[in-house]
Amino acid sequence: QSVLTQPPSVSGAPGQRVTISCSGTSSNIGAGYNVHWYQQFPGTAPKLLIFASTIRPSGVPDRFSGSKSGTSASLAISGLQAEDEADYFCQAQDSSLGGSVFGGGTKLTVL
Amino acid sequence: EVQLVESGGGLVEPGGSLRLSCAASGFTFTDAWMSWVRQAPGKGLESIGLIKSRTDGGTAEYAAPVKGKFTISRDDSKNTLYLQMNSLKIEDTAVYYCSLRWWHGGEYFPQWGQGTLVTVSS
Repeated sequence: QSVLTQPPSVSGAPGQRVTISCSGTSSNIGAGYNVHWYQQFPGTAPKLLIFASTIRPSGVPDRFSGSKSGTSASLAISGLQAEDEADYFCQAQDSSLGGSVFGGGTKLTVL
Repeated sequence: EVQLVESGGGLVEPGGSLRLSCAASGFTFTDAWMSWVRQAPGKGLESIGLIKSRTDGGTAEYAAPVKGKFTISRDDSKNTLYLQMNSLKIEDTAVYYCSLRWWHGGEYFPQWGQGTLVTVSS
């Protein structure tokens, strides 16, 4: 059972927009900590997609965007492409655990 | 270009020990805080610990599941991070990733190694 809650799966057709939610508590996202997002393809290491809730590292397409409000955060992917099919994880600091917590991951399927 | 290359994974019996290494290049390792993150087969990510840079004290911190049985260390002269794992259990089976650890309103992991698989089984 992950501390941050994500939907196990989402799907969308090419060109559509999908969002992936990440729900936390008052000891992590609700405590004001930023949320970070990672993209992972099968058999490979996670790659940082969004940091500090809304910032894209260099090289990440602007089709990816992040937001945060209260105890939740979201990752939005617009203009879906087949190459976006991957697992997505959210992560945040947790004051009660003293370290990072991750969501269980969301598998994005491009129909 | 930042490169993190893990090694040392393999098959170990329950109760056994293993030491993982992570060779770093492309950045100033001595100034970096580093972390280990693991992923059990088909499961999510779990941060298991970090080590501060020497200038920030060089101490390590651990997540509860591994505290007292895993030890993180570093050799700045070799640009290498280590994870000593003792008293291994079946539930420690995972891919272990080393990562850079940065902070922006909470820690995050901007760069990851390719991972090394540790299988604990009899």
